[in-house]
Amino acid sequence: AQSVTQPDIHITVSEGASLELRCNYSYGATPYLFWYVQSPGQGLQLLLKYFSGDTLVQGIKGFEAEFKRSQSSFNLRKPSVHWSDAAEYFCAVGRPIQGAQKLVFGQGTRLTINP
Amino acid sequence: EPEVTQTPSHQVTQMGQEVILRCVPISNHLYFYWYRQILGQKVEFLVSFYNNEISEKSEIFDDQFSVERPDGSNFTLKIRSTKLEDSAMYFCASMERNRVKDEQFFGPGTRLTVL
Repeated sequence: AQSVTQPDIHITVSEGASLELRCNYSYGATPYLFWYVQSPGQGLQLLLKYFSGDTLVQGIKGFEAEFKRSQSSFNLRKPSVHWSDAAEYFCAVGRPIQGAQKLVFGQGTRLTINP
Repeated sequence: EPEVTQTPSHQVTQMGQEVILRCVPISNHLYFYWYRQILGQKVEFLVSFYNNEISEKSEIFDDQFSVERPDGSNFTLKIRSTKLEDSAMYFCASMERNRVKDEQFFGPGTRLTVL
């Protein structure tokens, strides 16, 4: 069965500092990988996704993520955070098959930005 | 920009009562989903729906749950006899087509509180 682990429940960084949010997955093959962000009162917004090919993917809002097969990881990074990045971040996996996809989510990491 | 909407934003009900959570997916989307997140836990898949029938459901989605697309715009989740453990945030999502790399768009959620 698929599973996703986000080891950090809460992270605090200073504005302008770099950020890395960790995500590890368990799956028999290479799954499809996603990062979503949820701001208060908002739905889950897709930041980026990985299906195949280049293991470094670029997303919206200046985020990027790197797929490392050997580590079963898909960590999210941003070189310099802004106060507006404060939100909850979810890593998710999907099965690499055709069909009505279900996503399996991690527990989420809450990001707080210090001014 | 088109978005998924959900009503109500917060629903409070007594244990044993029926509730209906409503979602309006993006208008040209064909695949619909419900997920839920119990406070402090992961976002969990409940059910996927396509062509007026359930495509897949999780073990959480027992006989107390049902989904319906009563008209061309709404997608509903009904819980027949609510339990305390049904208290959670419920997210609706929709996807345009059955293409593996398509994105699920999420609504802002309905917070259900069962007393």
